[in-house]
Amino acid sequence: AQSVTQLGSHVSVSEGALVLLRCNYSSSVPPYLFWYVQYPNQGLQLLLKYTTGATLVKGINGFEAEFKKSETSFHLTKPSAHMSDAAEYFCAVTSPGGGTSYGKLTFGQGTILTVHP
Amino acid sequence: ETGVTQSPTHLIKTRGQQVTLRCSSQSGHNTVSWYQQALGQGPQFIFQYYREEENGRGNFPPRFSGLQFPNYSSELNVNALELDDSALYLCASSTGQTSSGANVLTFGAGSRLTVL
Repeated sequence: AQSVTQLGSHVSVSEGALVLLRCNYSSSVPPYLFWYVQYPNQGLQLLLKYTTGATLVKGINGFEAEFKKSETSFHLTKPSAHMSDAAEYFCAVTSPGGGTSYGKLTFGQGTILTVHP
Repeated sequence: ETGVTQSPTHLIKTRGQQVTLRCSSQSGHNTVSWYQQALGQGPQFIFQYYREEENGRGNFPPRFSGLQFPNYSSELNVNALELDDSALYLCASSTGQTSSGANVLTFGAGSRLTVL
């Protein structure tokens, strides 16, 4: 079984400050890892994903995440927060198993990011 | 290209009733996944359909059922509704191919179900 733990249900930063959202996973096989963002009254949008290869993954809107196998972590960062980054962020995991495995995700509880002027 | 559309956007039912939620997948996508997102929680995987066959199921009882049609649109049916079924139901589609860049999930905006 797989699981995802997101540390901190709420994170608050000032505009221009570093954003760090934490994600730890549990998986018995090498995982595929994802970060999604959800704006109010909208569906989830993929920010970035790690499957294989380079462990530092760059995504949209200036976000990046680093897969650290030894720490079972996949933390999301952005050097400088913008007001438009305020949203809820979800970390998710699945295991490789063909293309349809991408649809069977296990999500964390989510982290609400607030950005102050 | 159109994205994933879900209907209805909001609905209210009472305990014991049945509900059908609908999803039109993105053009070119043949795989549909359904998720339940309770208030304050992350989405939970209900099941997935690939080429009209169920292809994986999460920890949900049989009263949660689904269909996928030849045009790859899908329905989620929930019988004997319970209060805890109140949630946002998300549909997501993908191509189901093995190319890592080709099968990213595209989510709809969801159907918000309230059970009274």
